[in-house]
Parts: sequence; C-alpha cells; structure tokens
Amino acid sequence: GAVVSQHPSRVICKSGTSVKIECRSLDFQATTMFWYRQFPKQSLMLMATSNEGSKATYEQGVEKDKFLINHASLTLSTLTVTSAHPEDSSFYICSARGETSGGPEETQYFGPGTRLLVL
Amino acid sequence: GQNIDQPTEMTATEGAIVQINCTYQTSGFNGLFWYQQHAGEAPTFLSYNVLDGLEEKGRFSSFLSRSKGYSYLLLKELQMKDSASYLCAGMDSNYQLIWGAGTKLIIKP
Repeated sequence: GAVVSQHPSRVICKSGTSVKIECRSLDFQATTMFWYRQFPKQSLMLMATSNEGSKATYEQGVEKDKFLINHASLTLSTLTVTSAHPEDSSFYICSARGETSGGPEETQYFGPGTRLLVL
Repeated sequence: GQNIDQPTEMTATEGAIVQINCTYQTSGFNGLFWYQQHAGEAPTFLSYNVLDGLEEKGRFSSFLSRSKGYSYLLLKELQMKDSASYLCAGMDSNYQLIWGAGTKLIIKP
C-alpha cells in the first residue's frame, strides 16, 4: 500500500507557458498533500501544504499566484506553474499523507517527481 | 528555531556497517523519519521513530533518543545499491516535517 503517482514525469516547455502537474494517491485517501521543489544537490524545499477541499498553505517566499494548487479530492492534487520561466526549472515532488497499511499515519509517501525544464 | 543536522557525506565499504547520525531541534516533537533518496529520484520512506529505542527492519535499523534530540540510521551488510542520500526529518507539533540536508552515502567495493 501507500503508492503515489505523479504525472508527467518530465516536461519541457517554452517560457511564458503554464504547466500542470498531477499527484494521485493510488491506494489510500490522502487527507494532506505536500508539494516540494528540489534543485540539484540541494535539500527538499516545501512549497505548500494542502488539505482536501480547502485552500493550500504556502511557505514563505512561494508565490501563490504563480504556483496554483488544487486539492479537489482525497486522491488528487494538482500544481500549476503559471507563466513559467527558466528559473522555475526544477524537480517538483509531491507527497501524500493519510491512513494506509504501509506505516504510521504521519508518514509522507512521495510521488516519483516531475522534472520541469523551461526554455 | 527548528533545525536538523546530519553529516554531508560518508563513505563506507561494501559488506560493512555504517551509522548515519542526526540531531534535531523542533518545536514540539511528533516523531523522527528517515528517507532514502537515490540520485534523480524521489525519497522513499525507511523508518519512523517516536519512542526511544531501536527499531529494526532487515538490514536497516533506526534509533531515537528524545532526551538527547538524537537519532541514527544503521545500515548493515552494505550493498552497492545502498549508495544514496539519506534524509533525516523531524516532525514538529504541527505535524510538519523539518528536513535535514541529507547525507550522501558512497559505497566502495
């Protein structure tokens, strides 16, 4: 149990376009989902936390209007990078937390990540 | 403030044992997690400790001392595939994870 999928795994887009990334919990209901960004050889940086049916809580320094998060159901959250620019190129990873058979309820299970390259 | 400290890099030999230490300071405490992250991939869950003591899971064990704000991850019978970064994360009173920068473990034949 506790499988999280993420789509797409890689995306290349032109500067100024928007990109949507989906995160799904496949075999459990995710009461909370998290979105992280990771630059090469750096630690995970939490961008925002979202609970199903409510607005996401963004970390300091993360632009809400640029990184739109929707957590419409207990199994799906989306991150839309609006008007992407080259500096937004990064590895975006989602994680989900909920009651599973895989471990403690507090555990975050990660999706495989999405590598975004903005040209 | 909240902080997680772990070594940046460690080297060990295939077949040996290695211990990766982590010290933490969090606002409240709801457990300590260890994750493994291979290069270019997302982290995978290894262990969770909320009570003092040692939790063993096959070749991997994790230890916690709440009074010392200290944890370690012990890897036995090292294999080349264990080469990865190991992330220590403390959970605070708001159930938020505070992440360490990760320890890059290099396994040599």
